[in-house]
Amino acid sequence: NAGVMQNPRHLVRRRGQEARLRCSPMKGHSHVYWYRQLPEEGLKFMVYLQKENIIDESGMPKERFSAEFPKEGPSILRIQQVVRGDSAAYFCASSRTGWGMNTEAFFGQGTRLTVV
Amino acid sequence: GQQLNQSPQSMFIQEGEDVSMNCTSSSIFNTWLWYKQDPGEGPVLLIALYKAGELTSNGRLTAQFGITRKDSFLNISASIPSDVGIYFCAGQLWTGNQFYFGTGTSLTVIP
Repeated sequence: NAGVMQNPRHLVRRRGQEARLRCSPMKGHSHVYWYRQLPEEGLKFMVYLQKENIIDESGMPKERFSAEFPKEGPSILRIQQVVRGDSAAYFCASSRTGWGMNTEAFFGQGTRLTVV
Repeated sequence: GQQLNQSPQSMFIQEGEDVSMNCTSSSIFNTWLWYKQDPGEGPVLLIALYKAGELTSNGRLTAQFGITRKDSFLNISASIPSDVGIYFCAGQLWTGNQFYFGTGTSLTVIP
């Protein structure tokens, strides 16, 4: 049973370009969470999605950032017009349920975005 | 957002010693999860807790869901060098949605 798959593992973008980060949840999981981690810091929540729905985007910057989880295919975190401050590790997690028993969130290996 | 206070921030211990760390919140949580993160990797789930007072073990690791539902504890017995890493607690409010993460405990095991 494959775990949460994120790609690419490393992404380098020039300022002003777009970054697309992909996340395929574990089989049977329909809940996806995106987190950002700066060096030497903890994980900061960005967005929580279920298939075709954004449930909680309270951690997403108001501009340039968007996320989707289509009916088919991976979840995508999109950052437009990247700036140096966007450089971070972006982690995706998935869970079978959104709340209650068995709400275990499993993480992928992350995408390390570097903006030059 | 919710603030999870995790302590200690860092620990330096001798191999074979036991380790304790905890996480506290100002809010009541429905779920507590404990993770370990190695450099350059994603967090790996160690233990999940769902009931107040619940005590769960995973090998040398034992975690407890606090009675008040506002805290959780992780203990590692007889530490070994591969225990080195950063340990994070994460909690979910009874309303569901996101997991809030603690600030992490960096563990160094001296052989």
